Amino acid sequence: QTVVTQEPSLTVSPGGTVTLTCASSTGAVTSSYYPNWFQQKPGQPPRALIYSTSKKHSWTPARFSGSLLGDKAALTLSGVQPEDEAEYYCLLYSGGVRVFGGGTKLTVL
Amino acid sequence: QVQLVQSAAEVKKPGASVRVSCKTSGYTFKTYAIHWVRQAPGQRLEWMGWIHAGKGNTKYSQKFQDRVTISRDTSASTAYMELSSLRSEDTAVYYCARDGGDSSVDPWGQGTLVIVSS
Repeated sequence: QTVVTQEPSLTVSPGGTVTLTCASSTGAVTSSYYPNWFQQKPGQPPRALIYSTSKKHSWTPARFSGSLLGDKAALTLSGVQPEDEAEYYCLLYSGGVRVFGGGTKLTVL
Repeated sequence: QVQLVQSAAEVKKPGASVRVSCKTSGYTFKTYAIHWVRQAPGQRLEWMGWIHAGKGNTKYSQKFQDRVTISRDTSASTAYMELSSLRSEDTAVYYCARDGGDSSVDPWGQGTLVIVSS
């Protein structure tokens, strides 16, 4: 089964920019993997941020953007706010099933 | 608005089965698929499977394939996830979420805590 890999943790300063990535064990992530990105804070369900690589939900702050970067999916936060400290998960579509990445714990310090 | 409301927490003994329900409202149930996702305490999200609410087609993660059954009752606009042969490692919050048909996965239910303990 596909393994999806994310950075375990990243630290960014308030106002800074950070990019989280999402890699697949099957090879390069393309738009056909329909990458989704979710934010999760302790005790809460995941909150959808990005779908189909780069599409935003109506509630997604403008500072969040999704893309393909090399052979990975990427989530970039520009102008990071303290409230962006959270766990971030990517979700890929592969062979008829979905697979979550291991999550990236983003610290804003 | 679209809402997914899940059943209450459950405590089960090892070897038992659990069925979690996900009652939907605010949209045409049969048009979309429902995903099931779980999260053990302090652990990552795990995708378990999904069902197209209209066609009834299901697809499961290889990890859960032998123990999970996802079903739906179209008359009640409700999806179900049943997990059998429970073990302590199945202690987790179980979520349902709607597939938007455009690869989006939203909204999510509030989660159902399942505790497996002797």
